Order: sequence, then structure tokens, then C-alpha cells
Amino acid sequence: DIVMTQSPDSLAVSLGERATINCKSSQSVLYSNNRNYLAWYQQKPGQPPKLLFYWASTRESGVPDRFSGSGSGTDFTLTISSVQAEDVALYYCQQYYGLPWTFGQGTRVEIK
Amino acid sequence: EVQLVESGGGLVKPGESLRLSCAASGFSFTIYSMNWVRQAPGKGLEWISFISKSGYVNYADSVKGRFTISRDTATNSLYLQMNSLRVEDTALYYCARGRGGDNSNWFDPWGQGTLVIVSS
Repeated sequence: DIVMTQSPDSLAVSLGERATINCKSSQSVLYSNNRNYLAWYQQKPGQPPKLLFYWASTRESGVPDRFSGSGSGTDFTLTISSVQAEDVALYYCQQYYGLPWTFGQGTRVEIK
Repeated sequence: EVQLVESGGGLVKPGESLRLSCAASGFSFTIYSMNWVRQAPGKGLEWISFISKSGYVNYADSVKGRFTISRDTATNSLYLQMNSLRVEDTALYYCARGRGGDNSNWFDPWGQGTLVIVSS
């Protein structure tokens, strides 16, 4: 199984500051088609996860552009360029390169 | 509006069975794969089962041999038959549409989930 490891487990950021979440896979999720098989989700308290990015950096429709996804191979980053109060949530990465599809353990973003 | 609504959760004893349902609406159910993903209380997300639009299925090792996924295209419904339930199966069970193709799924959207509690 591909193990996904996120860091940090939690971070507290001041409003308007940048937040960076890292996700590392135990093996490359870059396929021969030059696509990274990685997605990012946001889960607010009491809600189901919401898709933010797929193919590591393709933003889902409706996701604010302060969110960006980057990385390739085994190392990926979700960045919130200017954190807003509504961004308080858990964030998960997920690989869909190989079954079983697996998630990172989650990173909690809070306001300082 | 694309919508997924789960039902069928509840409190059961270890070794008992439960059948979860997911009603899909607002999209062409027949052309998408579907998944079940669970989240134990206070824990992260665990993919547990997938069914392709053609009926191919796959399971996480943690549920293989005990859980069965199925779909009914006539009623746009997804099911999860859960047998031999264990305490560690306690979780919120989400139904999620698969995107990306039969061999690689990201999940969008997700239902609100149905809670399964396994306790003696």
C-alpha cells in the first residue's frame, strides 16, 4: 500500500498569513502520462470532505484561488496564500495511483 | 444539483450485519464509479470499497470478505452489505462519487454520511 504522510499535523496561522501543508507518498504517484495521481480535500467540522484539487494542481471549480496545489513524484504541497477564517478545517491528501487508494492522516488548520 | 444521501446506519452488536444505502441524484449514475469511505470517530479517512460503472469491485483488506458493495442502476442506488461487524468498524460511512476513471478515483461529491456503531 502507498502510505501518505502529511506534515505538520496541525498549524496555527494568523489571518491573512500563508499556510503550507506537505504531503509525502511512500512511492511515486507520477504516472507515465506525466500526471500526478494526487488529490486534496478540505473537511470543515461536521461536514463531509470537499474536493479542492486533483492531478495535484488542478483546482476544482469554485475553489478560491488563494488555494494552490503543487509538487510531483512523492512530495506535494497545499498552500493557502492568505488564510481566511472560513479556511479553518482539516485538510487531507489522497493518492489514486494504486489500490487501495489511501489518504494522509490530515492536517488541522487553525487561526492564531 | 448532484446529491448523495446515505441511510441504514445504526447500533449493532459485534458479529451482526447491516446494509447501508446511498441514493444518488442530479447526475447520470450509470457512467460513474462509486465508493464507500469511512471515518472512525475523531480519526482520518479510509477508503473501503469501489464499484465501477461496469460492476468491477474492489475492497480494502480491512473489509474484504465481510463487506459487499453493489449498485442498482434502475433506482440510482449504491449499497454496502456489512457482515460480521467488528468494534473497529465503528465509523461514519460516506458514499462518494468517483471521478478520474475506473482505475483511479478521486472522490466528489461526498454524502453527509451514516453512522455505524458496533458495540456489545
